[in-house]
Amino acid sequence: DAGVTQSPTHLIKTRGQHVTLRCSPISGHKSVSWYQQVLGQGPQFIFQYYEKEERGRGNFPDRFSARQFPNYSSELNVNALLLGDSALYLCASSLEGWGTYEQYFGPGTRLTVT
Amino acid sequence: GENVEQHPSTLSVQEGDSAVIKCTYSDSASNYFPWYKQELGKRPQLIIDIRSNVGEKKDQRIAVTLNKTAKHFSLHITETQPEDSAVYFCAAPNTGGFKTIFGAGTRLFVKA
Repeated sequence: DAGVTQSPTHLIKTRGQHVTLRCSPISGHKSVSWYQQVLGQGPQFIFQYYEKEERGRGNFPDRFSARQFPNYSSELNVNALLLGDSALYLCASSLEGWGTYEQYFGPGTRLTVT
Repeated sequence: GENVEQHPSTLSVQEGDSAVIKCTYSDSASNYFPWYKQELGKRPQLIIDIRSNVGEKKDQRIAVTLNKTAKHFSLHITETQPEDSAVYFCAAPNTGGFKTIFGAGTRLFVKA
């Protein structure tokens, strides 16, 4: 079985630009969560989507948005990029949409904002 | 509020010794407690988890214990090996389970 996949692997953007990150969950998983991991810290929760609906949102500004498609894949969008948005963005999939199910992480997208 | 505290931030042990990492959580409704291992440059990998209806779970050299009254849970690694060197994260969901809070991580060094 294929695991969680994310694209692109690496990305370099300039301040003020917009970025779209993509995630494909494990086949059969209906929930996708997005996390931001700054070097040396734990993953910080951004969003959870389940059955194409936003079910949870972390303490991130409105510049961050996401959506989930009918095939359960997901996109994370970040507008007006700031230097502080530089981080590893992780996607995790789980079978169902609440926190008692195992989450499996993708390899991440490393975003560098210059 | 929602918070998961993890200690210690760094742990250095001799190969063959045991390592213990502790986490406390604030949301009394939390009912699922996973542990992740993250090697340098790689994704976090789920290594063991425990649900609130049990107090301990073992999987070969690793075990997790849960004390719901005190709201803390711990990861135990026995007979440590150099390949156990990594950053370990604990986590817990908030009420409703739609948000997972991670601890700050413990960097484990196993010296050969």
